[in-house]
Amino acid sequence: DIQMTQSPSSLSASVGDRVTITCRASQSISSYLNWYQQKPGKAPELLIFAASSLQSAVPSRFSGSGSGTHFTLTISSLQPEDFATYYCQQTNSPVTFGQGTKVEIK
Amino acid sequence: QVTLKESGPVLVKPTETLTLTCTVSGFSLTNARTGVSWVRQPPGKALEWLAHIFSNDEKSYSTSLKSRLTISKDTSKSQVVLNMTNMDPVDTGTYYCVRIQLWGAYKWFDPWGQGTLVTVSS
Repeated sequence: DIQMTQSPSSLSASVGDRVTITCRASQSISSYLNWYQQKPGKAPELLIFAASSLQSAVPSRFSGSGSGTHFTLTISSLQPEDFATYYCQQTNSPVTFGQGTKVEIK
Repeated sequence: QVTLKESGPVLVKPTETLTLTCTVSGFSLTNARTGVSWVRQPPGKALEWLAHIFSNDEKSYSTSLKSRLTISKDTSKSQVVLNMTNMDPVDTGTYYCVRIQLWGAYKWFDPWGQGTLVTVSS
């Protein structure tokens, strides 16, 4: 199975900060990489698919980049509603998720 | 509007078989560009993919849980069923069903059901 490693596991940031989360795959996955946001007690929601495509209705401050084994999720200006846990997911079979990155208020 | 709703027991005993049902609306299980997946999340831990099924009945399972899982669908009822045998307390968690969208070789999970919390305890 392909292992997905996110870094950092958690981070503290302030409103307005630029935040970058990294996801590394144990082998090349081309652009078969998605990002999800999960708030406490809620189901995950899709943010980015195919590494860099923004899901409909997701604010443009979210962006994704990368291919092969190295991917990033960037929040250009952190907003109060963005404090959550973020997961990357690769979709070569079998599907695997990263361990998550918790974004907390500084 | 696309929705998915999980149903099943809240509490199961160790060694029992868990049966979860996902009832979908707003899309058809015969749609060639969609599928349904199950994902679980132990309390305070990360998401774990379990299985998925597509319109052509293609199925795929988690490597570590493959021997315990069976996924099936009833197109007429718009339901996808997951069976997990030999339940253990470590299987406690929230179980989500989610629509898979396909675009060429790309796939993504959206939207997700609200999830159902399953506790394994005697």
